Amino acid sequence: AQKVTQAQTEISVVEKEDVTLDCVYETRDTTYYLFWYKQPPSGELVFLIRRNSFDEQNEISGRYSWNFQKSTSSFNFTITASQVVDSAVYFCALSESLGGATNKLIFGTGTLLAVQP
Amino acid sequence: EAQVTQNPRYLITVTGKKLTVTCSQNMNHEYMSWYRQDPGLGLRQIYYSMNVEVTDKGDVPEGYKVSRKEKRNFPLILESPSPNQTSLYFCASSLLPGLAGSDTQYFGPGTRLTVL
Repeated sequence: AQKVTQAQTEISVVEKEDVTLDCVYETRDTTYYLFWYKQPPSGELVFLIRRNSFDEQNEISGRYSWNFQKSTSSFNFTITASQVVDSAVYFCALSESLGGATNKLIFGTGTLLAVQP
Repeated sequence: EAQVTQNPRYLITVTGKKLTVTCSQNMNHEYMSWYRQDPGLGLRQIYYSMNVEVTDKGDVPEGYKVSRKEKRNFPLILESPSPNQTSLYFCASSLLPGLAGSDTQYFGPGTRLTVL
């Protein structure tokens, strides 16, 4: 069965520290997509990144970077020089393909990141 | 502005009183879906729709109904709500998924439902 594990329930850092959020997934699909979403205290879900299983290049967007390693089934998310505005719950998700039938996202349980000033 | 809207944003109701949560998107997306978010469980899919008049169950469909009469709207219906349906509900939409089920889903702002 498809599964996403975010072992870190809560992380607390001080502003300007770097922080890495871990995501480990399980799937038998050979083609799949991985996502990260941010849920700030206001509650909405904000899309951050989508990565397909054939592209293992790391990606950087400003202070955010993502490390996709197929060999360890991990898709970790690093925030460099964290800021208070980064405080949120972060979800990692895996798309379930079933031949394109559902587009269902399998979510991890989320990591609550608290950035202290 | 491209968006998914949900109404109401907050709702407190009593057991057994039928309610509908509306969802609308203005991106001409074929695919729409409902998820519920519960502490320690992440988000789980309730129902989804690949297009008008095409709907199917997700992982936790019991106690819910949906309909897709128009492309832009996908209401979630609770015919007889119970306290275990107290949750945060999200509607999402995307382009029709390709073979890899890959298209990015964009989420509405959420509806916090409390059933007493």
